[in-house]
Amino acid sequence: EPEVTQTPSHQVTQMGQEVILRCVPISNHLYFYWYRQILGQKVEFLVSFYNNEISEKSEIFDDQFSVERPDGSNFTLKIRSTKLEDSAMYFCASGRDGGNPDSYNEQFFGPGTRLTVL
Amino acid sequence: QKEVEQNSGPLSVPEGAIASLNCTYSDRGSQSFFWYRQYSGKSPELIMSIYSNGDKEDGRFTAQLNKASQYVSLLIRDSQPSDSATYLCAVNRPQGAQKLVFGQGTRLTINP
Repeated sequence: EPEVTQTPSHQVTQMGQEVILRCVPISNHLYFYWYRQILGQKVEFLVSFYNNEISEKSEIFDDQFSVERPDGSNFTLKIRSTKLEDSAMYFCASGRDGGNPDSYNEQFFGPGTRLTVL
Repeated sequence: QKEVEQNSGPLSVPEGAIASLNCTYSDRGSQSFFWYRQYSGKSPELIMSIYSNGDKEDGRFTAQLNKASQYVSLLIRDSQPSDSATYLCAVNRPQGAQKLVFGQGTRLTINP
């Protein structure tokens, strides 16, 4: 069964450094998302991406964050200058077009990247 | 008021019994509702989606939606120890590109 993949599984970085988290969404999906989950807290939306542009972003997704779909398969999240509070699990998710009313907006999550900022 | 509210638990249920998980949401215009299962240290795994009022069954799982009461529930029949996990309720906001808003999750433990 197709699944979302993410690399790396764990990234350790120094405060102020740039990190790039990578995702390969499910191949026939059109909607792509990044969420994060700080340890012990709920899953929070960061950004959604459709038709090669950001369609929505949260207040968390400030100028330090950017997303890109550099080719037909990868979807990346870049954090330009990491802060201690960026330490979290980052999940990529993807979803199909909403044509099927029985599965509208179902989103499938990758295994996550644990980001630790020291 | 939290957008999506769940009892954080823990909820303990004996093996073989029915586990009942509840969720309320604040935005009356919400359109799609999901239950995800999350094992410790793992990512959310979609187990049920529901869009209209009533019940939807899939194997041992039944999702129930009542839009008038802004209430979603998940029933797990014949609970197994492998069902022990945190169950996340997620709701699709009606505006924007379908972002999901998650509740805090309910930690469920099935006791053998």
